[in-house]
Amino acid sequence: AQKVTQAQTEISVVEKEDVTLDCVYETRDTTYYLFWYKQPPSGELVFLIRRNSFDEQNEISGRYSWNFQKSTSSFNFTITASQVVDSAVYFCALSEAEDDYKLSFGAGTTVTVRA
Amino acid sequence: DVKVTQSSRYLVKRTGEKVFLECVQDMDHENMFWYRQDPGLGLRLIYFSYDVKMKEKGDIPEGYSVSREKKERFSLILESASTNQTSMYLCASSRDREINEQYFGPGTRLTVT
Repeated sequence: AQKVTQAQTEISVVEKEDVTLDCVYETRDTTYYLFWYKQPPSGELVFLIRRNSFDEQNEISGRYSWNFQKSTSSFNFTITASQVVDSAVYFCALSEAEDDYKLSFGAGTTVTVRA
Repeated sequence: DVKVTQSSRYLVKRTGEKVFLECVQDMDHENMFWYRQDPGLGLRLIYFSYDVKMKEKGDIPEGYSVSREKKERFSLILESASTNQTSMYLCASSRDREINEQYFGPGTRLTVT
């Protein structure tokens, strides 16, 4: 069964628009970690954030913000005032305590920001 | 900064050839991983290693093997390459079980003809 679902395959926005990427996860563990990665056209995945299941506080880093809601098993990612350099594939991932070496990745959301 | 390097960015091999993909990390990380990435499927784990000479199968190990003789180096081996192994291969490492975010190399795009 898919542990991480990214329902949006592609999103296209105009520069300066906000864009929110959805991530829904599934786990029976009470201790787990959630991640977001960015894969620009160059191909190398870049680590953006890790949150543990006990910290539901939202996080903001510059134009990026993350909304973690355990009640809906979601860990959504918002880019505010998008820029062309934000064009990339974004992956959400889950690591469960039972198997914490491994990350289960969603299928990814391709974001295209048009000038 | 963590640096994960992979031996080739692009590789073209013929069906039946033995293929070696090399990955090196410079941050003394315990764990190393090999993934393949295909459109619409995200990243799928092939094998990982949590220590030298230790390995575990991931979700899609068939047709692959791995070797980790030194802590910094993790090799992926395709014993007899097939066209359905044409893909992007990504190597990653993570410090340990506590600090488990993974850092990725640039990837190797392998084409098997």
